[in-house]
Amino acid sequence: DAGVTQSPTHLIKTRGQHVTLRCSPISGHKSVSWYQQVLGQGPQFIFQYYEKEERGRGNFPDRFSARQFPNYSSELNVNALLLGDSALYLCASSLEGLASGEQFFGPGTRLTVL
Amino acid sequence: SQQGEEDPQALSIQEGENATMNCSYKTSINNLQWYRQNSGRGLVHLILIRSNEREKHSGRLRVTLDTSKKSSSLLITASRAADTASYFCATGGYSGAGSYQLTFGKGTKLSVIP
Repeated sequence: DAGVTQSPTHLIKTRGQHVTLRCSPISGHKSVSWYQQVLGQGPQFIFQYYEKEERGRGNFPDRFSARQFPNYSSELNVNALLLGDSALYLCASSLEGLASGEQFFGPGTRLTVL
Repeated sequence: SQQGEEDPQALSIQEGENATMNCSYKTSINNLQWYRQNSGRGLVHLILIRSNEREKHSGRLRVTLDTSKKSSSLLITASRAADTASYFCATGGYSGAGSYQLTFGKGTKLSVIP
């Protein structure tokens, strides 16, 4: 059974541009969460979606948005990119919501903003 | 800001020795999880301990939780070179805004020398 998949693997953008990152959860998992990991730091929670509804939001500006589709895959959108948005973006899925425990992480998308 | 703080930030040991990492957190939690990350890629779930549990074992891993001190420790026994990675603790709980979040610390970088 395939794990969590993310695309693209790497991405280079310039300041002010927009980016869309994609995530496919493990089959049967209904919850998807997004995290930002800056080099040398731990992941920071951005969003959680469960059954296509936003169930949690971290301390990120409105430039960050996400959605979950009927097949439970998800997109993370970031507008008006800043240099500080350069990071590894991780997606994680779980069978139930975040509160149920174990999250299964994808390999991440490395975003570089020039 | 990140709630969990791991200690030490970096740890270097010889193969066969035990490695102990500590995690402190600030607010009440539902559970605490430990994850491993190799070379800035996706995280792998190691173990989850609930707030009403004090100790848990999984293979060569032993986790303790002291909710009165708001701290946890991860012990890896008989370490192997393949254990070389960054280890993160993550606390699960509700934010001030009422949404459930998984909050990661900055991690401990473990190097196991063959």
